[in-house]
Amino acid sequence: EVHLLESGGGLVQPGGSLRLSCAASGFPFSSHAMSWVRQAPGKGLEWVSGVTGGGGDSFYTDSVKGRFTISRDNSKYTLFLQMNSLRADDTALYYCAKDLGAFAFDLWGQGTMVTVSS
Amino acid sequence: EIVLTQSPATLSLSPGERATLSCRASQSVSTYLAWYQQKPGQAPRLLIYDASSRATGIPARFSGSGSGTAFTLTISSLEPEDFAVYYCQQRSNWPRRYSFGQGTKLEIK
Repeated sequence: EVHLLESGGGLVQPGGSLRLSCAASGFPFSSHAMSWVRQAPGKGLEWVSGVTGGGGDSFYTDSVKGRFTISRDNSKYTLFLQMNSLRADDTALYYCAKDLGAFAFDLWGQGTMVTVSS
Repeated sequence: EIVLTQSPATLSLSPGERATLSCRASQSVSTYLAWYQQKPGQAPRLLIYDASSRATGIPARFSGSGSGTAFTLTISSLEPEDFAVYYCQQRSNWPRRYSFGQGTKLEIK
């Protein structure tokens, strides 16, 4: 069964760090670009970061550039998001999403909640 | 940065009616546009990609059209389970970025 399962969210103080993980199964992980998409409480969807299938290229929305780092371990079918210098406006449910290869995301996890608050 | 604007913000219709949702891009995205459905407490679900291709398992009552800067998602006859929030999404190539519209809430009238 194709599946994505995020973990690593939690409550962190402003300026702190978290590392999110996304475990994939049921599809050839290294053949697909992957992304992180977040959704603040009661708000819409915001793309955060993406990485190519081989991991050689990564992309970020401007608001997280220099603070977040996306990576992947294809041998372990796992996607990561290292989040540093967290701010209150980073508070959101973070989804990992599989790129269909047609500029769209055809598989989503259930999300992991990140709350940045003192 | 390409901005997607969805209209209307809220659409109130009854089951059996036809729904037409709009998404406009601030510059051409060719046909690189997708539509998603999101219900409360659930992850988004891909409905349409490449502007008009239905994703696997999506009922035929969902259809997409458009190219360039103007796109439409049509639900031909609303079922009770179709009431949800719908988002459009695009990907630009240089720099490589994705963006979503702000969403249209389809509610029962």
